[in-house]
Amino acid sequence: GAVVSQHPSWVICKSGTSVKIECRSLDFQATTMFWYRQFPKQSLMLMATSNEGSKATYEQGVEKDKFLINHASLTLSTLTVTSAHPEDSSFYICSARGTLNSYEQYFGPGTRLTVT
Amino acid sequence: QKEVEQNSGPLSVPEGAIASLNCTYSDRGSQSFFWYRQYSGKSPELIMSIYSNGDKEDGRFTAQLNKASQYVSLLIRDSQPSDSATYLCAVNIGSARQLTFGSGTQLTVLP
Repeated sequence: GAVVSQHPSWVICKSGTSVKIECRSLDFQATTMFWYRQFPKQSLMLMATSNEGSKATYEQGVEKDKFLINHASLTLSTLTVTSAHPEDSSFYICSARGTLNSYEQYFGPGTRLTVT
Repeated sequence: QKEVEQNSGPLSVPEGAIASLNCTYSDRGSQSFFWYRQYSGKSPELIMSIYSNGDKEDGRFTAQLNKASQYVSLLIRDSQPSDSATYLCAVNIGSARQLTFGSGTQLTVLP
């Protein structure tokens, strides 16, 4: 149980374009999903927390107009990187927390974004 | 002081030895503690959770929690080269709904 998928697993895009990443909880309903970014050999950095049906809460320093998060259902959250630039190239990972256990988080496999 | 602190390592142990990974946290009210394993280029994987003082064993893994000392550890017995990874400690801090992660300890098990 507690499986989270992400799509795509990797993507290459040109500077200035937008990229959408999907995160799905496959076998449980996720009231809360989280989006992280991780640069090589660095720690996880929480970008935002999203709750189904409400606006995402962004961490300090994360541009909400650049990283659009939508959590339209209990099994799907999306992250759209708008007007991507090479410095946005990173490993983006989502995680989900179910309704029964308050704090356990299950991670998706991640999406590697390269902006050329 | 960081909210969740881990030694960054790298920690190297020979195959078959016990690897000991440590984590301290700042919030005395924390109730939930987790260990995640992250292989290079992959996302974190939950391997242990612990909520009460004492030890919790799962196969070769033992999590130890001491709330009075605000300390949680992970022991890996009979370490294998496949255990080589970064181990992340995660704790619920304050009223935040998300976990707070340590920066991770890189473990290398030498064959």
